[in-house]
Amino acid sequence: NAGVTQTPKFQVLKTGQSMTLQCAQDMNHNSMYWYRQDPGMGLRLIYYSASEGTTDKGEVPNGYNVSRLNKREFSLRLESAAPSQTSVYFCASSEESSWGYYNEQFFGPGTRLTVL
Amino acid sequence: TQLLEQSPQFLSIQEGENLTVYCNSSSVFSSLQWYRQEPGEGPVLLVTVVTGGEVKKLKRLTFQFGDARKDSSLHITAAQPGDTGLYLCAGFMNTGNQFYFGTGTSLTVIP
Repeated sequence: NAGVTQTPKFQVLKTGQSMTLQCAQDMNHNSMYWYRQDPGMGLRLIYYSASEGTTDKGEVPNGYNVSRLNKREFSLRLESAAPSQTSVYFCASSEESSWGYYNEQFFGPGTRLTVL
Repeated sequence: TQLLEQSPQFLSIQEGENLTVYCNSSSVFSSLQWYRQEPGEGPVLLVTVVTGGEVKKLKRLTFQFGDARKDSSLHITAAQPGDTGLYLCAGFMNTGNQFYFGTGTSLTVIP
C-alpha cells in the first residue's frame, strides 16, 4: 500500500516549456487534489476532483490544467511554465465522509519545480 | 489574502516549554484539521475537529475548535525536539467542497 505517489520529485523548466505532474493513489479514494506550497502562504488549492470524471477550480487555477484519468490518477499540466509557478506541488486524496463534514486528506511527497 | 491566518509564523523554544499556535478566520468552517509537515515531505494529519467548542487531546497536544467554528488552537505541553516541524491548520467548507489551509507555523524545539 503506497498511499499517494507523485512523479517526478524534482524538475527544472525554462520559461515557456510544458510539463505534466503525475499523481496516483491506491486507497480507492473518490476525491483528489492538487496544491502548491509557497513560503509563508501554506498550501493553496489549484484544482480538485470530487469524483472520477469531474474537476473543479480551486483558489489559484490560472496557468494549470488537470485530468482525472481514472479513479486512481490525477495529473496536473503546465502548458507554458512561468517563473511564478516555481513552487512545491502536492497531490492529495480523500474519502468523503457520509455527511460531508470532513475529509481526511492524505498527501504525496511533493514535486519541487523550478522555472527559470 | 489567506482565509486562515496562523500565528505565530515562526516559533523557537527550549525543550520542556509549553506553546500555543493559533488559527483564525472570519469565515465559518464545518470542520478543521491540523497537519504537521516535516522538511521534504507532505503534510500528515494530526486531528480533525468538527463541533464548535470541541477539545481533543493527543498525548501532549491539545486541539480546540472555537465555539463559532471560525478559529482553532493547538497547545503543546512540554515540547520535545521531535515536535519540530511546520504546523498547518486547514478548514473545510461544504460550499464548494474545498479545504483552505492556514499560512503555517514553523516550530523549532531546541534540545
